[in-house]
Amino acid sequence: EVQLVESGGGLVQPGRSLRLSCAASGFTFNDYAMHWVRQTPGKGLEWVSGISWNSGTIGYGDSVKGRFTISRDNAKNSLYLQMNSLRAEDTALYYCAKDKYMEVWGKGTTVTVSS
Amino acid sequence: EIVLTQSPATLSLSPGERATLSCRASQSVSSYLAWYQQKSGQAPRLLIYDASNRATDIPARFSGSGSGTDFTLTISGLEPEDFAVYYCQQRSNWPVTFGGGTKVEIK
Repeated sequence: EVQLVESGGGLVQPGRSLRLSCAASGFTFNDYAMHWVRQTPGKGLEWVSGISWNSGTIGYGDSVKGRFTISRDNAKNSLYLQMNSLRAEDTALYYCAKDKYMEVWGKGTTVTVSS
Repeated sequence: EIVLTQSPATLSLSPGERATLSCRASQSVSSYLAWYQQKSGQAPRLLIYDASNRATDIPARFSGSGSGTDFTLTISGLEPEDFAVYYCQQRSNWPVTFGGGTKVEIK
């Protein structure tokens, strides 16, 4: 079964850092691009970042550029999102998703930025 | 960045009726457009990719059309499980962007 499981969310103070992880299973991880997408309760979807299969192409949404860093470890079938200088507006449910069209999604991990 | 505008924001229909959802891009995305369905408390589910191709296990009542800047998702006869929020998404240019969503609700 193809599965994505996010972890690492939690409550963090503004200005601090957090690292999210996404564990992939059931498919050949290093064949696919991966993405992070977030959603605020009751609101729409916002693309956060994406990375190609070999990390050769990386992109970020304007709201996180310069603060967040995406990476992957194909040997560990894992995707990461390093989030620095967190702001209240980064509070959201963070999903990881598989492939250039997001055909598989995890259940998400919640990040709350608050003092 | 490419802005995707979905209309209407809310569509009130009865089961069995036809739903027509629109997505307009601020510049051409060729056919690099997808549609997702999201139900409350769940992750989005890919319905359509490359504007008109149904994803795995998606029923034939869902169809997509369009290219360039204007796209349509059609649900030919609404089933009870189809009442949800629908998003379009483009991957033509990064940053990837999503539309604001259309909520299909029971009339």
